[in-house]
Amino acid sequence: GDSVTQMEGPVTLSEEAFLTINCTYTATGYPSLFWYVQYPGEGLQLLLKATKADDKGSNKGFEATYRKETTSFHLEKGSVQVSDSAVYFCALRDNTNAGKSTFGDGTTLTVKP
Amino acid sequence: SAVISQKPSRDICQRGTSLTIQCQVDSQVTMMFWYRQQPGQSLTLIATANQGSEATYESGFVIDKFPISRPNLTFSTLTVSNMSPEDSSIYLCSVVLPSSYEQYFGPGTRLTVT
Repeated sequence: GDSVTQMEGPVTLSEEAFLTINCTYTATGYPSLFWYVQYPGEGLQLLLKATKADDKGSNKGFEATYRKETTSFHLEKGSVQVSDSAVYFCALRDNTNAGKSTFGDGTTLTVKP
Repeated sequence: SAVISQKPSRDICQRGTSLTIQCQVDSQVTMMFWYRQQPGQSLTLIATANQGSEATYESGFVIDKFPISRPNLTFSTLTVSNMSPEDSSIYLCSVVLPSSYEQYFGPGTRLTVT
């Protein structure tokens, strides 16, 4: 079945540091890929998405590129802020399987001033 | 986009009782999903709820424990029956918009079973 493997956390960075959170996936179909963010005490919000190979999703300074050859969708940000502290989930949705999503375990990011 | 509301936002329940969680969406959607997020863990899909048909449950989840209703295209309920402390979790309602294929989540219902 489909699966998503995320970089283990927690991750602690200083403000303005570069962020990478690794995400790799296995899927039998042609999935769409997503990053969601969950701020403390809040629900999940879609951060960015990519629907086909080589697509780059971007939002709020975060980027991720759909790499089919390496089955990866790593999340990056050039300069993190304290307000980016949250839990980040990588997910895939198999567009041929009733739209069900598979989530990674989540990576907790803490940014210190 | 889709705006999803859930009721209640949180509850503390006694062992052996049942709780019904409501999910309301501001647009008509075909598929709705119910997830569980246990403390510090990822999301686990409980079931897919399509309007006009029986919900489809994932492995490890059964209708007797988690009955779901989907009376129309904007509303669904999930009942957690005969609760035990192991049911303490956040329960999330979710939809996928066919126009954009984006998935949206409700704010969640935080359930504590004592």
